[in-house]
Amino acid sequence: DGGITQSPKYLFRKEGQNVTLSCEQNLNHDAMYWYRQDPGQGLRLIYYSQIVNDFQKGDIAEGYSVSREKKESFPLTVTSAQKNPTAFYLCASSKTVDQPQHFGDGTRLSIL
Amino acid sequence: KQEVTQIPAALSVPEGENLVLNCSFTDSAIYNLQWFRQDPGKGLTSLLLIQSSQREQTSGRLNASLDKSSGRSTLYIAASQPGDSATYLCAIGDSWGKLQFGAGTQVVVTP
Repeated sequence: DGGITQSPKYLFRKEGQNVTLSCEQNLNHDAMYWYRQDPGQGLRLIYYSQIVNDFQKGDIAEGYSVSREKKESFPLTVTSAQKNPTAFYLCASSKTVDQPQHFGDGTRLSIL
Repeated sequence: KQEVTQIPAALSVPEGENLVLNCSFTDSAIYNLQWFRQDPGKGLTSLLLIQSSQREQTSGRLNASLDKSSGRSTLYIAASQPGDSATYLCAIGDSWGKLQFGAGTQVVVTP
């Protein structure tokens, strides 16, 4: 079945550590997105990519970095510069901007 | 900047009642509007997408309307079932595919 796979499901970060969240899709979608969800709030866009080797900052990009070397993969790194990283992170993809976004099951990041 | 509001934040209805969920937005220059469902601890499932030029979309028991001039969208779920219990999110899309989300309405359907 086609879909989006996010791993790991749970992740813990120590002070000063960078961590990378994986997002892989086999839907042949061109566009991919990373969102952050905090309790009781809607999702906020971190980074998005319309095509391989290109990506753009979203509303809350500070303290995060991404790469898009392959169409199927859009990993997100939470750097030590992100002072409040505890949140639920969701990856999404879409074929075009006119099509619905499909979401993975998320990664929950916590601080040790 | 686009602001998206969903009221109420939570809603409880008995099984069989129709659900009416509201979404309002401040900037009428939208590209599309999407409604999603989120189950606890899970990702989002797309329910309906309404293009800017459309007034409504239907899928099974779900119907979503869009009134850009008043900055409103409404999601109707007919004959609610306990399995409809979830959080429902609306999102405004722009021409880059970026989505601006509301905080959601948490729905509980009691048997």
